[in-house]
Amino acid sequence: DAGITQSPRHKVTETGTPVTLRCHQTENHRYMYWYRQDPGHGLRLIHYSYGVKDTDKGEVSDGYSVSRSKTEDFLLTLESATSSQTSVYFCAISDLRTSGAYNEQFFGPGTRLTVL
Amino acid sequence: GENVEQHPSTLSVQEGDSAVIKCTYSDSASNYFPWYKQELGKRPQLIIDIRSNVGEKKDQRIAVTLNKTAKHFSLHITETQPEDSAVYFCAASKGGSNYKLTFGKGTLLTVNP
Repeated sequence: DAGITQSPRHKVTETGTPVTLRCHQTENHRYMYWYRQDPGHGLRLIHYSYGVKDTDKGEVSDGYSVSRSKTEDFLLTLESATSSQTSVYFCAISDLRTSGAYNEQFFGPGTRLTVL
Repeated sequence: GENVEQHPSTLSVQEGDSAVIKCTYSDSASNYFPWYKQELGKRPQLIIDIRSNVGEKKDQRIAVTLNKTAKHFSLHITETQPEDSAVYFCAASKGGSNYKLTFGKGTLLTVNP
């Protein structure tokens, strides 16, 4: 597996509390992504980053924010968690320098978040 | 934006049979089509991909085909084994400055011994 870790791996929290998930990579890849995975919906992109301090929204970005202050870390924040954000969250990385012009993405182990 | 449809959502086969999963995409500019396998409780793993300049690619028991005119691509698994049981996702991406993958909703493949 590519050098990608996520923390925490499991978290239970209450509605209305802030939550931050961390993705850490040791591959020096430029691009990083946050997805959520829910039954019947597959993998949906929340936010992505194309460089330090460069981020953009995905298809399900409402209620989420991200930050990337250094190449190796990409943080996903739920400012005020809701039950609809109960999901499994995956981080992914890619780098066109190693895959040519094609977006090969490699996934982290995932974080299971439960919002009560 | 890109839309990827994947069928079937579930597929059950007998060990040794072949399995085929099909995907269609909407954006004719897409040029990269990976397939991921996800075992229960694990991360998605890239198993094979195809780029728009080829029509077919094989890797041992798995193969992918691409029909750019019809905008569909397929995953073929031959001589299925119980360890092939997993959820399979297709995805599509444009090249160049678009660094996003759009995923299908997945196919749960069950291989019965």
